[in-house]
Amino acid sequence: GENVEQHPSTLSVQEGDSAVIKCTYSDSASNYFPWYKQELGKRPQLIIDIRSNVGEKKDQRIAVTLNKTAKHFSLHITETQPEDSAVYFCAAEDSSYKLIFGSGTRLLVRP
Amino acid sequence: GAVVSQHPSRVICKSGTSVKIECRSLDFQATTMFWYRQFPKQSLMLMATSNEGSKATYEQGVEKDKFLINHASLTLSTLTVTSAHPEDSSFYICSAPGQGRGNTIYFGEGSWLTVV
Repeated sequence: GENVEQHPSTLSVQEGDSAVIKCTYSDSASNYFPWYKQELGKRPQLIIDIRSNVGEKKDQRIAVTLNKTAKHFSLHITETQPEDSAVYFCAAEDSSYKLIFGSGTRLLVRP
Repeated sequence: GAVVSQHPSRVICKSGTSVKIECRSLDFQATTMFWYRQFPKQSLMLMATSNEGSKATYEQGVEKDKFLINHASLTLSTLTVTSAHPEDSSFYICSAPGQGRGNTIYFGEGSWLTVV
């Protein structure tokens, strides 16, 4: 089955700097890759997603890139703000329609 | 937009008892739903796939006799934790895909289970 690895586990950046979180996946049949932001005890919130027929997608300060050949995808947050501090999860939808999550990244944006 | 509702949001039960968690798709039909468990500071781990009208498919290492899943209608899946133990205390959350593969996944609000 699908296996998703996520790095780093924690990331601390200065307000205004960029943050990059990287994920790799194993199932070449996966073709949907969402990114979620989660607050403690709450449901994950979709912040951006990308499908395998696209290499990059951007939404204001957030962008995601996908390299299908290398089976990795990344989340880029520019001009970080303190309210961006949260736990972020990548995920891949495998060939069985299941979402498999990465281990999560705790992002801290220092004012 | 599509909504998935989960109930209860918090539940405390005694060791040895069973507790049921419901997951409902409010304005769309969900032939498939997924159940996840999340321990503090960890990721969401897929427990099982709930299939309307047929048996659930469990992930490796998940005890099907302990975590009973029933998907009796196109809008309701239930997870029953049987003979609960303190180590079952966790955040349980369900999800349902909008229309199929690659479409938006809708999550329930999640349920905090504490077994005392």
